[in-house]
Amino acid sequence: AQSVTQLDSQVPVFEEAPVELRCNYSSSVSVYLFWYVQYPNQGLQLLLKYLSGSTLVKGINGFEAEFNKSQTSFHLRKPSVHISDTAEYFCAIHIRNTGRRALTFGSGTRLQVQP
Amino acid sequence: IAGITQAPTSQILAAGRRMTLRCTQDMRHNAMYWYRQDLGLGLRLIHYSNTAGTTGKGEVPDGYSVSRANTDDFPLTLASAVPSQTSVYFCASSDSQGREQFFGPGTRLTVL
Repeated sequence: AQSVTQLDSQVPVFEEAPVELRCNYSSSVSVYLFWYVQYPNQGLQLLLKYLSGSTLVKGINGFEAEFNKSQTSFHLRKPSVHISDTAEYFCAIHIRNTGRRALTFGSGTRLQVQP
Repeated sequence: IAGITQAPTSQILAAGRRMTLRCTQDMRHNAMYWYRQDLGLGLRLIHYSNTAGTTGKGEVPDGYSVSRANTDDFPLTLASAVPSQTSVYFCASSDSQGREQFFGPGTRLTVL
């Protein structure tokens, strides 16, 4: 069975500092990879996705992620965070070439940006 | 309507009552999903539908049922609510390839 592990439940960081949110997954078959962001009392918004091709993926709001197949990781990074980046971030996978189209989510990482 | 709408936004419900959460999408997506979000657990799949007329069970289907009479609507029903069903419920949809899921704003349900 597939699974997604987000290693940090909370990440406090100062404004303008860099940040990395870690995500590892387990799957015996190929996957698509996603990062979603959830602002307080809102739904989930797609930050970026890896489907194929270049392993470095750029998303909205200055975020990027790198797919590392050998380490089964898809860590999210931003070189300089802003107060408005305070939110919950979810890593998710989609198992390719099966009947299952639903996503498997990690437990989330709460990013708290402090002034 | 743009994207996915859910109703109600929030609800407080007495245990044992029946409740239907509504979800409508206007993107003509074939696949739709219901997830529940609980603190520390992320989102877990309750039920899904790959196309109108078909449904399937996810990871946590007990106590919930769904129907998919047409492409746009995917209601979730709690036949007899229990306190452990207190959660935030998200509806989502995707195309047949599943390359991106779009989420509704959620329904916050409290069962007392």
